[in-house]
Amino acid sequence: KAGVTQTPRYLIKTRGQQVTLSCSPISGHRSVSWYQQTPGQGLQFLFEYFSETQRNKGNFPGRFSGRQFSNSRSEMNVSTLELGDSALYLCASSWDTNEKLFFGSGTQLSVL
Amino acid sequence: QQQVKQSPQSLIVQKGGISIINCAYENTAFDYFPWYQQFPGKGPALLIAIRPDVSEKKEGRFTISFNKSAKQFSLHIMDSQPGDSATYFCAAGAALNQFYFGTGTSLTVIP
Repeated sequence: KAGVTQTPRYLIKTRGQQVTLSCSPISGHRSVSWYQQTPGQGLQFLFEYFSETQRNKGNFPGRFSGRQFSNSRSEMNVSTLELGDSALYLCASSWDTNEKLFFGSGTQLSVL
Repeated sequence: QQQVKQSPQSLIVQKGGISIINCAYENTAFDYFPWYQQFPGKGPALLIAIRPDVSEKKEGRFTISFNKSAKQFSLHIMDSQPGDSATYFCAAGAALNQFYFGTGTSLTVIP
């Protein structure tokens, strides 16, 4: 069974640009969550989508947005990139509840 | 306010020793407490988890101890091995809500 797939693996952008990250969950999983991981800060929750609806939202500015498609694949968009957005962005999928999350390997975003 | 506080930030243990990582949480509505293990270049993977109705859960060399009254839980790794060297995250939350993660503990097991 394929795991959670995130693309691209690495991204380099400049300040002010926007970026879209993609996540394909494990087959059958209906929930997709996004986390930002930075050294010393751990994993910060961005948002979660379940059956194409945002179910939970973290405390990130509106520049961070996401969506989920009917096949459960999800995208995350960051507009007007800032240097502080440099981080590893992790996607996690689960069947329905958030108790057992299956993480992808992440997208490493560098903002120059 | 950080919902889950984790310590220590880093830990060095001799092979065969016991590794102990501690976490404390704020919200008494949390009812599921997982631990995740992350190797470099990989995403976190669920290691072991506990619910507040039990005080201890053991899976192989990994044990979670849970103190509901103190709102604390800890991960014990017995007979630590070099292959256990990784970053460990505690987390807390409830089924349909977001889960809050600790800031992580980098464990190094010296051969």
